[in-house]
Amino acid sequence: DQQVKQNSPSLSVQEGRISILNCDYTNSMFDYFLWYKKYPAEGPTFLISISSIKDKNEDGRFTVFLNKSAKHLSLHIVPSQPGDSAVYFCASNAGNNRKLIWGLGTSLAVNP
Amino acid sequence: ETGVTQSPTHLIKTRGQQVTLRCSSQSGHNTVSWYQQALGQGPQFIFQYYREEENGRGNFPPRFSGLQFPNYSSELNVNALELDDSALYLCASSLPLSYEQYFGPGTRLTVT
Repeated sequence: DQQVKQNSPSLSVQEGRISILNCDYTNSMFDYFLWYKKYPAEGPTFLISISSIKDKNEDGRFTVFLNKSAKHLSLHIVPSQPGDSAVYFCASNAGNNRKLIWGLGTSLAVNP
Repeated sequence: ETGVTQSPTHLIKTRGQQVTLRCSSQSGHNTVSWYQQALGQGPQFIFQYYREEENGRGNFPPRFSGLQFPNYSSELNVNALELDDSALYLCASSLPLSYEQYFGPGTRLTVT
């Protein structure tokens, strides 16, 4: 039973356009959310996070939006670059030991 | 600042054997978490160590065990290997009160 869901296995966008990656969660107790990027043969790299007390967090080209009532968050990348091509994972905390529960990932391809 | 390192990079073992995977945490991080990532899946939490003690465990059998040393490095041991243990094993380190975890490149374990 997936508590963190990324329903789009893949996404393809043109260079310079916006990439929007979506994530849904089922547990209303989750209060911190993170996005990671993963290249083949590398570990996940932390991108950006958001606490449930906020609805938006921005860091350069990356913005995460949180809609608590819908239990939905999204990652916006503007403008998209070919180097952004990777698998993007949404994760959320669970419990006091800060373990992360992950979605299945969305593979983003940014075409030149 | 040294990032998270893991060894070995790749490993091939036979069913029934035992394996030890190693991780050195990022400088200043005293919390280490281990994850198993099967092909096409998100990482699954195995356990976390803080100050040399287990601080939370996921749904993995007792044949998965770990250690953390005074220098915060860590080991993951798996006994009686099964074919389904074939996966990428990821180590992540973090500060104790932080949700943000920083990952090593992983160890690719193949069980034949």
